[in-house]
Amino acid sequence: AQKVTQAQTEISVVEKEDVTLDCVYETRDTTYYLFWYKQPPSGELVFLIRRNSFDEQNEISGRYSWNFQKSTSSFNFTITASQVVDSAVYFCALTWTSNTGKLIFGQGTTLQVKP
Amino acid sequence: EAGVVQSPRYKIIEKKQPVAFWCNPISGHNTLYWYRQNLGQGPELLIRYENEEAVDDSQLPKDRFSAERLKGVDSTLKIQPAELGDSAVYLCASSPPVKGEQFFGPGTRLTVL
Repeated sequence: AQKVTQAQTEISVVEKEDVTLDCVYETRDTTYYLFWYKQPPSGELVFLIRRNSFDEQNEISGRYSWNFQKSTSSFNFTITASQVVDSAVYFCALTWTSNTGKLIFGQGTTLQVKP
Repeated sequence: EAGVVQSPRYKIIEKKQPVAFWCNPISGHNTLYWYRQNLGQGPELLIRYENEEAVDDSQLPKDRFSAERLKGVDSTLKIQPAELGDSAVYLCASSPPVKGEQFFGPGTRLTVL
C-alpha cells in the first residue's frame, strides 16, 4: 500500500516552544517525493518543502527544519520557537514516479500555538 | 505572479441541484488537478489534466461528476445532481511542465442541504 500517516491529530503548544510534526509513509517505489504543506484557516494549501527519495540530507529554512530518514520511513517537520502565525493544519504528502503526479496526503495535524 | 484562482469561494445548494466550480491555473502551468477535501481529512485527487487531456480520472465519480479543460487553460468541475455527501472543499492545483510542487488555489467550500 502507498500511504501517509500523521498520527498526531492535534498539537497545542505555547508560543516560543519547539514542536515536531510526525509523518510516516509507505511506498513500494524506490523513487518517490515527499512534501509538506501548510493550510491556514483561509484554506489555501501552501507548499513548504519537497524532498526526493535519493536526498536524505536534512534541511533547515529559518525556523523550519525537516528530518528525512528512509530507515524508518519518516519525514518529520520541526518548528523552532513557534509563533501564533504558525497555527494551521499541516499535511505531509507522497507521490512517486509512476503515480502521474497524484499526491497522497496524510490526515493532517492541527497545530495550535497559544500566546 | 498571480496564484491559482478559484470561484466561487462558497456555494450552498440543495440536494439534487447542479453546481459548477471554476479554476484558472497559474500561467504556464500545463498540469491541472482537482482535489476534494472532506472535513478533517487530507485532499484526495479527483482528476488530473495534462494540457486539455484528462490523464487520470480514476477517482472521479463519473455518474454525477464531470470536468473539462477547454484549450488547456481554465477548467470547470461540475456535479449533477449534488448529494449530501458531496459537501466538501474542492481544491484546484496546478504545476509547471517540469514536474515540481503543486500550487493550490483557495478552494470552493460546497455545502449541500
